[in-house]
Order: sequence, then C-alpha cells, then structure tokens
Amino acid sequence: DSGVTQTPKHLITATGQRVTLRCSPRSGDLSVYWYQQSLDQGLQFLIQYYNGEERAKGNILERFSAQQFPDLHSELNLSSLELGDSALYFCASSVQGRAGGAEQFFGPGTRLTVL
Amino acid sequence: DAKTTQPNSMESNEEEPVHLPCNHSTISGTDYIHWYRQLPSQGPEYVIHGLTSNVNNRMASLAIAEDRKSSTLILHRATLRDAAVYYCILTNTGNQFYFGTGTSLTVIP
Repeated sequence: DSGVTQTPKHLITATGQRVTLRCSPRSGDLSVYWYQQSLDQGLQFLIQYYNGEERAKGNILERFSAQQFPDLHSELNLSSLELGDSALYFCASSVQGRAGGAEQFFGPGTRLTVL
Repeated sequence: DAKTTQPNSMESNEEEPVHLPCNHSTISGTDYIHWYRQLPSQGPEYVIHGLTSNVNNRMASLAIAEDRKSSTLILHRATLRDAAVYYCILTNTGNQFYFGTGTSLTVIP
C-alpha cells in the first residue's frame, strides 16, 4: 500500500460525457502527478501540481483539466469523452516539487471505460 | 526530451542475479536516472534512482556508467515476485517523467 488513494476504482461512461477522478496523496506529500496508461501509448505523464499550483504539463489534452485543493487532494476532470480516452489513470505523489530527486508513490489507478 | 532505450523483454532463473540495461545517450548533466517497476494490475513502484554514483538499496543496485550514457539495474537474487515491467526513466528540465516501453522481466522457477 503506497498511501496514495484514488477513487473511483472503475468508471464506465458514454462518449461525450464528463467525469472526475479523485486522488489523495500520501500524508505530507505536496506534489501530485497524473498519468494515463493505455495499451497503445504506454504510461504518459499528464500534469503535476505542487502545493496547489500547476508545476509541469505533459501530454494533457485540452479537454482534460486538473486542480489541487488546499487539503492537497487533486481532481482530474475529463470532458467530451471519446472512445480513445479509455485507459488506466494513475495518480502519484511525492514530497518535493522537483521530479528529479524525488521518489513518486503511485496509487492503484482508476480504470476508465468509455462506451 | 531525454529518451531511454531498453530491451523489450528479458528472462532470468529464480534466485539468480538479473542485470537490466538502459541506454540514455542524450542525458543531460542534471538528469536523474530513475527505475520503476510495474507488476500486473498495479501502479508503478519505485525501485531506485541516482545521479552519478552507484546506488544500493534493499530492493536493488543501480550501476551508472562513468559517462552516464547508460545504466544497469541489478536485482541480486530474482524471485517470482520480481516478474514485472521495469522502466528506466530520465527527468528533464521540464520536471516530467517519460516512462518509455520498459523491459518485461520473466522469472523462471
């Protein structure tokens, strides 16, 4: 158990819909990272927040957005969903803001299925 | 973006050492080298990381070439629980992790 929690575990929805994925980091960790893992693209970094502010952006689509709240939990919002958005979404947390020297702790993931 | 190259798959016998190679010829001076592994149906798990010197922890050892263009993750005694996909990752100045395709390790009993 990494100490990172993600809800829900599974999510099934239809194309065009909007969903929100939630992540609670480990106690004391200030950084939250979001990743997408699909069969054809592997693990893709989406976005990082550090202490409430966006720190780094990866391959995140404009239809996706994220935020980190004062209690440090984070939400990833996916809108206008397409079949290709079906994937595992992982959240990770770390103490530091810089990814370089910090260990990231990954949650169990949310499996999103878009029908 | 700093990229890594790893073999797609490797096999090892149980209780024998495993050396997982990674090439990163475009590494910059400030890039850390990270290794993570992902067991089936689980999120990635941190294994080890380093900058210039070799590193040891309870899970593995990381050997970094003197020119830093390659590194090797060493599992000293492979167990069946070590069967996973192992990712060698470099950070870049944009603070991002690029996982690549990784090496799928099969441990033979």
